[in-house]
Amino acid sequence: DTGVSQNPRHKITKRGQNVTFRCDPISEHNRLYWYRQTLGQGPEFLTYFQNEAQLEKSRLLSDRFSAERPKGSFSTLEIQRTEQGDSAMYLCASSRTYFGTRATGELFFGEGSRLTVL
Amino acid sequence: SQKIEQNSEALNIQEGKTATLTCNYTNYSPAYLQWYRQDPGRGPVFLLLIRENEKEKRKERLKVTFDTTLKQSLFHITASQPADSATYLCALDGASGNTGKLIFGQGTTLQVKP
Repeated sequence: DTGVSQNPRHKITKRGQNVTFRCDPISEHNRLYWYRQTLGQGPEFLTYFQNEAQLEKSRLLSDRFSAERPKGSFSTLEIQRTEQGDSAMYLCASSRTYFGTRATGELFFGEGSRLTVL
Repeated sequence: SQKIEQNSEALNIQEGKTATLTCNYTNYSPAYLQWYRQDPGRGPVFLLLIRENEKEKRKERLKVTFDTTLKQSLFHITASQPADSATYLCALDGASGNTGKLIFGQGTTLQVKP
């Protein structure tokens, strides 16, 4: 078990381009979360999955953002038509549940994917 | 509106002293509160979780208190070391129903000087 893995670690793109980030959670974790973090701020919740089902999306997640977790394992976060305001660190986290649905609480974060939109 | 506040100013202390960080919240009734450590350019790392029915929790040199009446948590690092220098984030469960979704404060940066 190597922890939560995110790729790429850094992405520089031009405004208007599409970008995709990938997250591989800890293998036995059925919950997967995406957060966004800007400089000097704490992580902001974007969305989360239980297995392959996307259960909640933040109002921060505009129509240009889409996340998938097709087989309940890895997840992708795509940003279409990037804007300079999308520049941030995108963090993925995973967690276990017990009795199927009860959250254990702590999140295990990856190292993040830093996006710079020029 | 719901809000979580941590001291935005950096905390500078001398090695060996106790660091105390504060987390205040409003308009929440969290089932638990957590503290994370984040180093520059890295993801947050879980440190401690304290439940609403617990007043205090300890782990090695770390101690967390949780006062649901004051809506405040205090995070203490005793015998601080330069290696403790980092940003510390508090987080609350953001909704009922065991989503596991966390709402984070903005973090407080701790600098421990040798």
